[in-house]
Amino acid sequence: EPEVTQTPSHQVTQMGQEVILRCVPISNHLYFYWYRQILGQKVEFLVSFYNNEISEKSEIFDDQFSVERPDGSNFTLKIRSTKLEDSAMYFCASSEGTGGASTEAFFGQGTRLTVV
Amino acid sequence: AQSVTQPDIHITVSEGASLELRCNYSYGATPYLFWYVQSPGQGLQLLLKYFSGDTLVQGIKGFEAEFKRSQSSFNLRKPSVHWSDAAEYFCAVGPIYGGSQGNLIFGKGTKLSVKP
Repeated sequence: EPEVTQTPSHQVTQMGQEVILRCVPISNHLYFYWYRQILGQKVEFLVSFYNNEISEKSEIFDDQFSVERPDGSNFTLKIRSTKLEDSAMYFCASSEGTGGASTEAFFGQGTRLTVV
Repeated sequence: AQSVTQPDIHITVSEGASLELRCNYSYGATPYLFWYVQSPGQGLQLLLKYFSGDTLVQGIKGFEAEFKRSQSSFNLRKPSVHWSDAAEYFCAVGPIYGGSQGNLIFGKGTKLSVKP
């Protein structure tokens, strides 16, 4: 069964360092997303990506964040200068589309980012 | 504005007992509704979804949910809980068009503990 894969599963980084979280969405999906979940809180939307550009982003997704689809399979989230409050579980997701049954998002296992 | 409310933060049930997790939503039309489960340290797994048709939907692991338009609810149920069901459960609604909320809005989650 196709699945979204994320690497690494856990990343520890020092405050101020850059991190890149990687995702391989399901191959025939067109929409890609990043969500995050701070420990004990709800899952929050960060950004959606379609046709090689950002289609929506939340207020959380500030200039410290960027996304890229560097090749035909990977989808990355970069945090330029990490802060302690960036510590969270980051989920990548993909969907076929954004309407109807295509609304269903398939989530990866997540990358737990710990900023120290 | 669209929103999802899960009024119960934490529920404890005995193994073998029945379970109902509540979810209420605010949405301008008939939404697509989802329940996801997150086991400790794991990603989000789709339990079930409602798009249209029969308002009682069956999911994996013996779960079911009922869409009640009049109550704007989509409660998750299971007749007999197993210890392995201990996890956090998230209700989500979509599609969300425009704005900055992404394609899905999640509730804050309900943590389920199971007593032996």
